[in-house]
This record gives sequence, structure tokens and C-alpha cells, in this order.
Amino acid sequence: GAVVSQHPSRVICKSGTSVKIECRSLDFQATTMFWYRQFPKQSLMLMATSNEGSKATYEQGVEKDKFLINHASLTLSTLTVTSAHPEDSSFYICSARVDSAHSGNTIYFGEGSWLTVV
Amino acid sequence: QKEVEQDPGPLSVPEGAIVSLNCTYSNSAFQYFMWYRQYSRKGPELLMYTYSSGNKEDGRFTAQVDKSSKYISLFIRDSQPSDSATYLCAIGSTSYGKLTFGQGTILTVHP
Repeated sequence: GAVVSQHPSRVICKSGTSVKIECRSLDFQATTMFWYRQFPKQSLMLMATSNEGSKATYEQGVEKDKFLINHASLTLSTLTVTSAHPEDSSFYICSARVDSAHSGNTIYFGEGSWLTVV
Repeated sequence: QKEVEQDPGPLSVPEGAIVSLNCTYSNSAFQYFMWYRQYSRKGPELLMYTYSSGNKEDGRFTAQVDKSSKYISLFIRDSQPSDSATYLCAIGSTSYGKLTFGQGTILTVHP
């Protein structure tokens, strides 16, 4: 089946530093990818929609200057958490929509990345 | 009112039981419906995807959609301990792929 790979799966960083998380679709092209964050025992909250070759669309309340998204190719989107603070510690998950006329809106998720800011 | 409501549970059943998981939604513009399973500390795994009212079956899983009532369900037959996870309904309104998730239902199947 389709696979979406996220890297790193777990990262610890110091407060004030920046962290980059990669999301790759391994066996399909994805013009559109999504970034979510999930707090313990809570559901996924959409942060932004990433479109290949154009600016990301951010959800209300998400700081675009803090969460930088780059979707430079049809198989890779990156999320950079800039000037990270402890409250940014969370589980970040990406998903990718399969580019295919026959797949409808099939969306696959990555394994997630645990970010801990100390 | 949230766009998608899902009973968070937790739900605990014995092995072999039939499990029913449910979501309701408020926006009639929603067009496609998905169920994901999420194990602890892992990303969600797509279980079922449907866009029409009625039933869709895949192995032990049956997804049911009733657009007139804005109600969707996932049934798990012959539940196994390995089915223990959080189940998330996800609903979309456009072909763009943006999903709205329910809160998730925590399911435990005990031997």
C-alpha cells in the first residue's frame, strides 16, 4: 500500500532553536499534503495545507512565520518549527493526498514526529 | 456545535464482540467519509473510505453512511485484541482533501 514517511520520528531540541520535519510520499505523487498536530489523547488538528509549488494555506490561529512549510516537489513537504518553545512540544503528523484520477480523495498519513522542546 | 462529533469512549469489549463506532456531522456539504485507526504514538492508518450512503465492507470492517441523518458508523466483527486502538472518523467536503476529524474513540478488546 501507499507509504508516507516522516523524519525524524522523534526529536528533542533546545528552546529557541529551529527544527525541520520532513514528509515524503514514497510510492505516489502528492500535490497536496497536510500538516497536523496532536496533543495527548486529543484528535488531530489541521495546521496547514501544503501545495507543491505554491504557498501553504494556514488554518486560523496558526502562525505562518513560526511554522514554515515548503513543498518543493511532488513527494516532499517540510515543516520547520522556528524559535521553538516548550509549548510547541507535540506530535506532528503529515498526510498526503494521492494524485490520481482513480483514487478519489485517498489520503495516507505518516507515522508522526514527536517534538520535545526543552 | 462541532462539525464532527464522535463519542470518545473509552469502549471496552471482549474478544469476538461486534464493535460499533459512530460519528455525527453537521455540514451537509461533507461528501466523503473515512475511518482511521491510530495505535498509541503512531500515525493514523486508513481503514475505510467511502463517499456514498450505504454500506461498504472490507473483511471484518463495515463502514456505514447515512447522509440523510448525517451519521456514519464503523462496525468491527469478531473483534481481536490487536484491534485495540483509537478510531478516528474523518470527513471531507471537497475534492481538495481537507479533512475534519472526530475526537477519536479509544477501543480496548480484552482476551
